[in-house]
Amino acid sequence: DGGITQSPKYLFRKEGQNVTLSCEQNLNHDAMYWYRQDPGQGLRLIYYSQIVNDFQKGDIAEGYSVSREKKESFPLTVTSAQKNPTAFYLCASSRLGRHTGELFFGEGSRLTVL
Amino acid sequence: AQKITQTQPGMFVQEKEAVTLDCTYDTSDPSYGLFWYKQPSSGEMIFLIYQGSYDQQNATEGRYSLNFQKARKSANLVISASQLGDSAMYFCAMREGSGSGGGADGLTFGKGTHLIIQP
Repeated sequence: DGGITQSPKYLFRKEGQNVTLSCEQNLNHDAMYWYRQDPGQGLRLIYYSQIVNDFQKGDIAEGYSVSREKKESFPLTVTSAQKNPTAFYLCASSRLGRHTGELFFGEGSRLTVL
Repeated sequence: AQKITQTQPGMFVQEKEAVTLDCTYDTSDPSYGLFWYKQPSSGEMIFLIYQGSYDQQNATEGRYSLNFQKARKSANLVISASQLGDSAMYFCAMREGSGSGGGADGLTFGKGTHLIIQP
């Protein structure tokens, strides 16, 4: 079945450590996205990528980094510079071109920094 | 200014009643799309319904319909005959720009409405 796989589902880390969240899709979508969700908040865009080896900052990119070396993969690194990294992280993908722009989401990764 | 506003943080509804979840949006782009997603407690985001800015008719998908009032910049979600399984967070979202390459910078989301269906 086609879809988006995020791992790990739950992650605990100590303050000051970098962590990398994995996102893989087999939908052959060109665009991929990372969103952050905090309690009582909507989803906020961290980074997005429309093509391999290219990506753009979203609304809250500070303290995060990404790479897009393969079309299928868009890992997110939460660096020690991110002041409040505890959150629920959602990866998504979409087709480009004449489509609605609907996002397909993974099941999310819940990061807790102790 | 917020681009998507959902004014109902939480709602309690009796099972089998119809539910209307409010959403207003703000954009100066003539071409845009509006989406509703459902997020159960498991955290996954489930796409429910889409309305394009040039669509003449309101979108419908099974028990879901979108009450699109363009002049008022309103895109309310209507759930008919609510069920216990409808209990979840509901998010309204917008894409600005047309589908042909535009709007590839993702969707902007509202803060959501927590819907609880009571038996």
